[in-house]
Amino acid sequence: DAGVTQSPTHLIKTRGQQVTLRCSPKSGHDTVSWYQQALGQGPQFIFQYYEEEERQRGNFPDRFSGHQFPNYSSELNVNALLLGDSALYLCASSFPSGPSYNEQFFGPGTRLTVL
Amino acid sequence: AQTVTQSQPEMSVQEAETVTLSCTYDTSESNYYLFWYKQPPSRQMILVIRQEAYKQQNATENRFSVNFQKAAKSFSLKISDSQLGDTAMYFCAFMKHVRGNDMRFGAGTRLTVKP
Repeated sequence: DAGVTQSPTHLIKTRGQQVTLRCSPKSGHDTVSWYQQALGQGPQFIFQYYEEEERQRGNFPDRFSGHQFPNYSSELNVNALLLGDSALYLCASSFPSGPSYNEQFFGPGTRLTVL
Repeated sequence: AQTVTQSQPEMSVQEAETVTLSCTYDTSESNYYLFWYKQPPSRQMILVIRQEAYKQQNATENRFSVNFQKAAKSFSLKISDSQLGDTAMYFCAFMKHVRGNDMRFGAGTRLTVKP
């Protein structure tokens, strides 16, 4: 059973560029959450997708957007990159309708560096 | 808003000994979940242990146990018989008792197990 997968593993961009990160949830999971983890800090919630719609959003600007596909995979897009967007981006999947609805399974993350 | 505080940025312990990591949180919710996640250098967030706030009994998972003090809003993690593989960042996290909710993380504690 494949867990949560993310691509790419590492990414280097320059200020002002746009980036797309991808996530495939654990088999059987229908909800995807994205987190930003700056160096030396805990993850910060960006947003959550369920049934192809953004269900919840954290305190992040509109430059951060996302999408969920019918197969439950998800993308995180960041426009007009800033140096401060450099971080590890974590994807987590869950199955809120199931018995373990409170458990989120995390992917290995994408390390984004903005120069 | 819910906040999670981990007051110990770094800790170390000798192999085979016991160590306790501290976590406090602030919430007005009466029902919620608390988690400890481990993040080794590989970056993968791994669930260590979970506690449901309505359960008075402290959760245990093999060498890992928690001391959950609801009134004090405290949730500490005890690792017994520490192993070299326990070396990692440990994050305390809070989630409201709502299906599909997001997690709030503390800043983390870096634990080093010394041989």
